[in-house]
Amino acid sequence: TQLLEQSPQFLSIQEGENLTVYCNSSSVFSSLQWYRQEPGEGPVLLVTVVTGGEVKKLKRLTFQFGDARKDSSLHITAAQTGDTGLYLCAGGSQGNLIFGKGTKLSVKP
Amino acid sequence: DAGVTQSPTHLIKTRGQQVTLRCSPKSGHDTVSWYQQALGQGPQFIFQYYEEEERQRGNFPDRFSGHQFPNYSSELNVNALLLGDSALYLCASSPPGLAGGPTQYFGPGTRLTVL
Repeated sequence: TQLLEQSPQFLSIQEGENLTVYCNSSSVFSSLQWYRQEPGEGPVLLVTVVTGGEVKKLKRLTFQFGDARKDSSLHITAAQTGDTGLYLCAGGSQGNLIFGKGTKLSVKP
Repeated sequence: DAGVTQSPTHLIKTRGQQVTLRCSPKSGHDTVSWYQQALGQGPQFIFQYYEEEERQRGNFPDRFSGHQFPNYSSELNVNALLLGDSALYLCASSPPGLAGGPTQYFGPGTRLTVL
């Protein structure tokens, strides 16, 4: 069974701080997506990474896919209150997605 | 460009009843997947439809069934509802040529409450 473990489960920081959240698995995935989800809404796609070692930047967000395609990280620089939400990683497996439980981020002013 | 739409937004049912949820994929997408997200959990894959057939299925009982129409829209049906079926049901679509992956775009979800 393929599983994705996300850490930390909860993170509360002050505005302006940097943070990193992790997504780890013992399985190899063909791709990995990061989503951000607000309460009661659907996940919104942030990025897709498909190549081992790939790094993608989206403004203050930096995503990295591990060389072995088993893990990924999301780094946020100078967090803002608008970054608050649930961050989900999802591994692509035979056409469907396997999700982690998410990291709940709270950025306080 | 309309994204993925789902209806209804919220639904309240009682145990033993049946429910139908609906999804329209993003324009140009032909594959629809359904996920169940319980409170505090990540989404769990239910099944995926392509060319009006169920292509893949997750670990969900036969009480969960679906359908895809020629216009690529889809329905999720759940029979004999249990309290544990209370969750946010998410529909996701993906474009042709990628075998249903790797990227899927999600709708806003239907919040189902079973009393």
